[in-house]
Amino acid sequence: DAKTTQPPSMDCAEGRAANLPCNHSTISGNEYVYWYRQIHSQGPQYIIHGLKNNETNEMASLIITEDRKSSTLILPHATLRDTAVYYCIAYSSNDYKLSFGAGTTVTVRA
Amino acid sequence: ETGVTQTPRHLVMGMTNKKSLKCEQHLGHNAMYWYKQSAKKPLELMFVYSLEERVENNSVPSRFSPECPNSSHLFLHLHTLQPEDSALYLCASSQGAGVLTGELFFGEGSRLTVL
Repeated sequence: DAKTTQPPSMDCAEGRAANLPCNHSTISGNEYVYWYRQIHSQGPQYIIHGLKNNETNEMASLIITEDRKSSTLILPHATLRDTAVYYCIAYSSNDYKLSFGAGTTVTVRA
Repeated sequence: ETGVTQTPRHLVMGMTNKKSLKCEQHLGHNAMYWYKQSAKKPLELMFVYSLEERVENNSVPSRFSPECPNSSHLFLHLHTLQPEDSALYLCASSQGAGVLTGELFFGEGSRLTVL
């Protein structure tokens, strides 16, 4: 499995964009980058995923560098309800294992 | 509401008890998962079922026994647990058979306390 590294915590201001970095320098060619978040005491929630190209959906945007060694999740207008632990995961459908690390605790402040 | 329902939401049991956790998904998915989340630790994958067959057992002790009678239901049977097994147990489901997507839908979890 490719490992990912994320900062343990970050703060951002309500209404501003939140940019969450993730390093995955050993990612292999068939591994996707997945992002999840977990709001306190709830189950994790899928946000977005990508392989090479940048992706956008109603929740967030995912920017993957050309060498695929790192990515950034962008929450365009953070709200207080975006306060959560955010997980960046390298996943291959070959082994079924969606493995969660420690993630980044994001606190959105008013 | 994610379409994955777990019961009970809270369970307290003694070390000699036998209990079961239940998970039901209403999404038409073919794969189901059990994860364990202990305090201050990352989620740990326990079991994966695809088309009702177990495809992953992540070195889980035998005191945890999964059962998948059909693609909509998943159980985790618990017996002779230890206090360190106290945790949040999360069920998830996903599309796919054979090749599983990484887009999992999680339930709210069952909070287990072992006395």
